[in-house]
Amino acid sequence: KNEVEQSPQNLTAQEGEFITINCSYSVGISALHWLQQHPGGGIVSLFMLSSGKKKHGRLIATINIQEKHSSLHITASHPRDSAVYICAVRSHYTGANSKLTFGKGITLSVRP
Amino acid sequence: GAVVSQHPSRVICKSGTSVKIECRSLDFQATTMFWYRQFPKQSLMLMATSNEGSKATYEQGVEKDKFLINHASLTLSTLTVTSAHPEDSSFYICSAPQGGVYNSPLHFGNGTRLTVT
Repeated sequence: KNEVEQSPQNLTAQEGEFITINCSYSVGISALHWLQQHPGGGIVSLFMLSSGKKKHGRLIATINIQEKHSSLHITASHPRDSAVYICAVRSHYTGANSKLTFGKGITLSVRP
Repeated sequence: GAVVSQHPSRVICKSGTSVKIECRSLDFQATTMFWYRQFPKQSLMLMATSNEGSKATYEQGVEKDKFLINHASLTLSTLTVTSAHPEDSSFYICSAPQGGVYNSPLHFGNGTRLTVT
């Protein structure tokens, strides 16, 4: 079992829809990152969180440490949101042992 | 905001040649740079961690002599794929935590798509 599982694997939505992308992990973590990878490959960091909820524009990220689960929500989705959304977790260990483990990512396609 | 510039974005080379990929932090000092490889439809896999002024730390299974990493300054880290083979064809991407702190936001380069013929 992968340490980081993302669901659904592929997601298609209509413009304007509310979208939820999920991430579950199996290890104790110090932080969780949500990343956006564009078709060309470039990656943008969307959120880094260790508890609660963060909001930036139309994006909201939540994390439940007890349940080892995080969600990324996109409100009023737009075709430009089409990308791969990757969840990554950093383990509790510090220093050289503190590595990021990445999920495989969810491919989101928003239709106009 | 903080930017990591990665070059080249795309390179095609012949088997047996070497390719150098550069990552520069443009407006912050990157004491640490992470180098990743990503195969199609797969997760990012950490290859090595470079630290300014010291030797890189390689992940298990990554050949140090094949993937040479240099981090000679606080703004530049390079990855050289030596004696490239077709199986080295992949997407390579670097990232640096701003401030060199493990739990700070990450800044990624735009990646390099390497094709070895």
